[in-house]
Amino acid sequence: NAGVMQNPRHLVRRRGQEARLRCSPMKGHSHVYWYRQLPEEGLKFMVYLQKENIIDESGMPKERFSAEFPKEGPSILRIQQVVRGDSAAYFCASSTGQENQPQHFGDGTRLSIL
Amino acid sequence: KQEVTQIPAALSVPEGENLVLNCSFTDSAIYNLQWFRQDPGKGLTSLLLIQSSQREQTSGRLNASLDKSSGRSTLYIAASQPGDSATYLCAVIRSNQFYFGTGTSLTVIP
Repeated sequence: NAGVMQNPRHLVRRRGQEARLRCSPMKGHSHVYWYRQLPEEGLKFMVYLQKENIIDESGMPKERFSAEFPKEGPSILRIQQVVRGDSAAYFCASSTGQENQPQHFGDGTRLSIL
Repeated sequence: KQEVTQIPAALSVPEGENLVLNCSFTDSAIYNLQWFRQDPGKGLTSLLLIQSSQREQTSGRLNASLDKSSGRSTLYIAASQPGDSATYLCAVIRSNQFYFGTGTSLTVIP
């Protein structure tokens, strides 16, 4: 019974390149959440998605960042034209969407920008 | 805006000691509160989820309490072990959105 799977675990990009982070939710979960953890800071909410819908993207930077959760396949967090400040750990969580159910987290993708 | 604070930021205790980690939040209109542990280079492992109508939850050596009126939660760890060394995060939950504290880094010394 696999948990939340994120890949890659580590990603290195040069400034100006694109970064694609993938997240496969736990079996039976249709709600996905993306968080960013900057060095020495707490986790910050970025975006909340259901299949084919963005529910809440209030934590997502307005430019260069986008997220999707297609009908088939994993959720993708996409960062275009990466900058040094994008270096962080990006975590994905999934849940059933019911309020009394916990979110389960993946092990994260560590993004490093050269 | 919801702000979540965890005190202390770091804590070292000898093995076997009981300890308390604190979490405070500014907006009491929360649905639930969840405690996690994070090991270095890893994701978050859920420890306890307290629903807003509850006052505490227990799992093994862990006990978490919630006092919404004062905006506080505590995580009590009994008989600490070196394997408990990790960063402990609390998150308050409202409308499916999680607000995390910056965590308490715990070191249990053998």
